[in-house]
Amino acid sequence: EPEVTQTPSHQVTQMGQEVILRCVPISNHLYFYWYRQILGQKVEFLVSFYNNEISEKSEIFDDQFSVERPDGSNFTLKIRSTKLEDSAMYFCASSDRTSAYTYEQYFGPGTRLTVT
Amino acid sequence: EDQVTQSPEALRLQEGESSSLNCSYTVSGLRGLFWYRQDPGKGPEFLFTLYSAGEEKEKERLKATLTKKESFLHITAPKPEDSATYLCAVQAAGGYNKLIFGAGTRLAVHP
Repeated sequence: EPEVTQTPSHQVTQMGQEVILRCVPISNHLYFYWYRQILGQKVEFLVSFYNNEISEKSEIFDDQFSVERPDGSNFTLKIRSTKLEDSAMYFCASSDRTSAYTYEQYFGPGTRLTVT
Repeated sequence: EDQVTQSPEALRLQEGESSSLNCSYTVSGLRGLFWYRQDPGKGPEFLFTLYSAGEEKEKERLKATLTKKESFLHITAPKPEDSATYLCAVQAAGGYNKLIFGAGTRLAVHP
């Protein structure tokens, strides 16, 4: 069964460093997303991406964040200068249209980002 | 503001003891309501999509229902392997595809 994959599974970085989190969405999906989950809190939407551009982003997704689809299979999230509060589990998801109005999203296993 | 509230926060059941989890939502037009299962340290695993009031979906021991204000996830004769956090999420009209999640219900099923 097709699945979303993410690398690395765990990333430790120092405050102020840049990190890139990588995702390979399900191959025939056209819509891509990043979410994060701080330990013990809700899953929060960061950004959605379609047709090589951002379609929606949350208030969390400020200028320190960027997304890219560098080739036909990868989808990346870059954090330019990490802060302690960026420590969280980051999930990539992908979807295709499942009805006229809804898009079922399938999530990857996550990357645990620890900023020290 | 669009919002999703799940109750209870945690639920402990004996194996075979059926129960229901609740998800109440406030959205400006519902496009879809989604149930996910999340195991510790893992990503959410898709279970169901519900689109309109009155709709029901079933999968093994799980059955999801939807009204205009809330959704229920009924667990019939649960087994220990059903232990997980169950997440409810909504897609609202007027937006793109973002999911708004509730905090989840942590279910523990004991033999």
